[in-house]
Amino acid sequence: DAGVIQSPRHEVTEMGQEVTLRCKPISGHNSLFWYRQTMMRGLELLIYFNNNVPIDDSGMPEDRFSAKMPNASFSTLKIQPSEPRDSAVYFCASSFQTGAQETQYFGPGTRLLVL
Amino acid sequence: QKEVEQNSGPLSVPEGAIASLNCTYSDRGSQSFFWYRQYSGKSPELIMSIYSNGDKEDGRFTAQLNKASQYVSLLIRDSQPSDSATYLCAAGATGGSYIPTFGRGTSLIVHP
Repeated sequence: DAGVIQSPRHEVTEMGQEVTLRCKPISGHNSLFWYRQTMMRGLELLIYFNNNVPIDDSGMPEDRFSAKMPNASFSTLKIQPSEPRDSAVYFCASSFQTGAQETQYFGPGTRLLVL
Repeated sequence: QKEVEQNSGPLSVPEGAIASLNCTYSDRGSQSFFWYRQYSGKSPELIMSIYSNGDKEDGRFTAQLNKASQYVSLLIRDSQPSDSATYLCAAGATGGSYIPTFGRGTSLIVHP
């Protein structure tokens, strides 16, 4: 398996622009997570999908952030409009939940820089 | 609020020594615990998971869980410079969704 695939790997944009990050989870996994990682705040969970349905989006910073999962093999995280404080590494992770035992597999991340 | 606490380090150990990484968690109902290794500029990768009290060994790595003390540790025997990384501890939340909460990570430096 190719693992979790994210694109783009790097994104540089200007403040106010729309940014769309993409994720393809591991085939067969039923859970998908979007994380943001910064030096100051560590790894923060933004949103969690189970069977394509958003279960917990309490970590989404504000209305500028939105996420979708139209099918089991694709998810997007959109920031509109972007701000310099959104600069971070955004990770997508997927897992197959079986009761209390689940292991998350992380994608390579998207390094976002908002100027 | 569910929290996972780790000493940020850096923890510096000589090559060949045992590195001991520690983690405490606040949610007494957590059932699953994970250690991830993250090299600089890379994504976290799972190295150990543990679900029951006691020790779990995998090669040079041993995870230890004490639910009564809400404490998880990772021991790395015969530390190698290639073990130098940040180690993230995560505790699986309860309530049906099992969303893990991550600690901030401990930076480990193994010097030759």
